[in-house]
Amino acid sequence: GQNIDQPTEMTATEGAIVQINCTYQTSGFNGLFWYQQHAGEAPTFLSYNVLDGLEEKGRFSSFLSRSKGYSYLLLKELQMKDSASYLCAVRPPNSGYALNFGKGTSLLVTP
Amino acid sequence: DVKVTQSSRYLVKRTGEKVFLECVQDMDHENMFWYRQDPGLGLRLIYFSYDVKMKEKGDIPEGYSVSREKKERFSLILESASTNQTSMYLCASSSAGGSGANVLTFGAGSRLTVL
Repeated sequence: GQNIDQPTEMTATEGAIVQINCTYQTSGFNGLFWYQQHAGEAPTFLSYNVLDGLEEKGRFSSFLSRSKGYSYLLLKELQMKDSASYLCAVRPPNSGYALNFGKGTSLLVTP
Repeated sequence: DVKVTQSSRYLVKRTGEKVFLECVQDMDHENMFWYRQDPGLGLRLIYFSYDVKMKEKGDIPEGYSVSREKKERFSLILESASTNQTSMYLCASSSAGGSGANVLTFGAGSRLTVL
């Protein structure tokens, strides 16, 4: 199975950079995902990593190291609207594309 | 845009009632999923389906069943609701192959309270 760990809460200032870490232990691996969830809304897809390295998408980047069981989501030029919960998820093998999610990191962006 | 629609946004039921949560997607996706989300526990997979009439248990299937009679519709059934099933229920779908298989698209959720 998968144990997925990420910090419960983080606070950062508008305009700054924040890194949200995720570690996982898995018996198999078919990709690591990041989702964003605003309060009261559905999770929305942010990024997907299956190979080691950095994937950049605008202000958001995601990094993966499979040997270390480690990923991070990097948010640059923080905006107030980035206040949300960020969910790390792993797709185990033979899961029919289902994802196992971490408990999420609640990010508060302050002025 | 893929749209996943959950029929009920808020429900209040009594212990022992049979509860149906309906989910419909409009993009011909093969895969559909039911999760529940609880504070401090995150999203947990209840059941998923990769084809019509096919179903697979997730991590917490006890007390739940599902039905997929049509490709676009995936129903979650609580045979006899209990208070510990009070939760936010999220339906999701994805395509079976290509880059779309990487993306789960979620519905807005159904918040169920069992009294």
